[in-house]
Amino acid sequence: QKEVEQNSGPLSVPEGAIASLNCTYSDRVSQSFFWYRQYSGKSPELIMSIYSNGDKEDGRFTAQLNKASQYVSLLIRDSQPSDSATYLCAVKDPGTYKYIFGTGTRLKVLA
Amino acid sequence: DGGITQSPKYLFRKEGQNVTLSCEQNLNHDAMYWYRQDPGQGLRLIYYSQIVNDFQKGDIAEGYSVSREKKESFPLTVTSAQKNPTAFYLCASSTLYGRHLDTQYFGPGTRLTVL
Repeated sequence: QKEVEQNSGPLSVPEGAIASLNCTYSDRVSQSFFWYRQYSGKSPELIMSIYSNGDKEDGRFTAQLNKASQYVSLLIRDSQPSDSATYLCAVKDPGTYKYIFGTGTRLKVLA
Repeated sequence: DGGITQSPKYLFRKEGQNVTLSCEQNLNHDAMYWYRQDPGQGLRLIYYSQIVNDFQKGDIAEGYSVSREKKESFPLTVTSAQKNPTAFYLCASSTLYGRHLDTQYFGPGTRLTVL
């Protein structure tokens, strides 16, 4: 069973701090990784995708991928109360066209 | 505007009823998916489809049925055989270019409650 693991949290950070969210995956041949943000009662919205080892930056968000260690992380700089949400990590299964999701990490940014 | 629409937003079902959730996309995506999300839980795959007139069971297909008669549409029927259907249902779609060019996007969801 292919798995994606996340700490459920909540992860609490003060406003303006860096929030660091982590995700590990079990299938070594996975190639595509995604971070989604989900506000309570709403559907997931894509924040970032990453395919290559290293960092990928988009505004206040940085995704980091380490395929050798099988983890992917999301850093949120200058965290705002509006960033308070559940963050879902997803990995595309290369053998099918399915996406495997972690259970999400709940982030709380304290004003 | 390109996107994925789901209707209705809220749905109430009586015991023993079948109900159908609508999902339509105008993104020209080949693949479509149905997920179920329970409070505080992750997404569980119900069914997915890569091409018209073909679909595959996901991890929790029992009690559900789908059809894919058009590329744009992937309705989900929750049958009376599904014993605990109260949940948030999410439809998604993606391209099928292969490798890392594909990304999945979600509709707004349908919240189903059994009375």
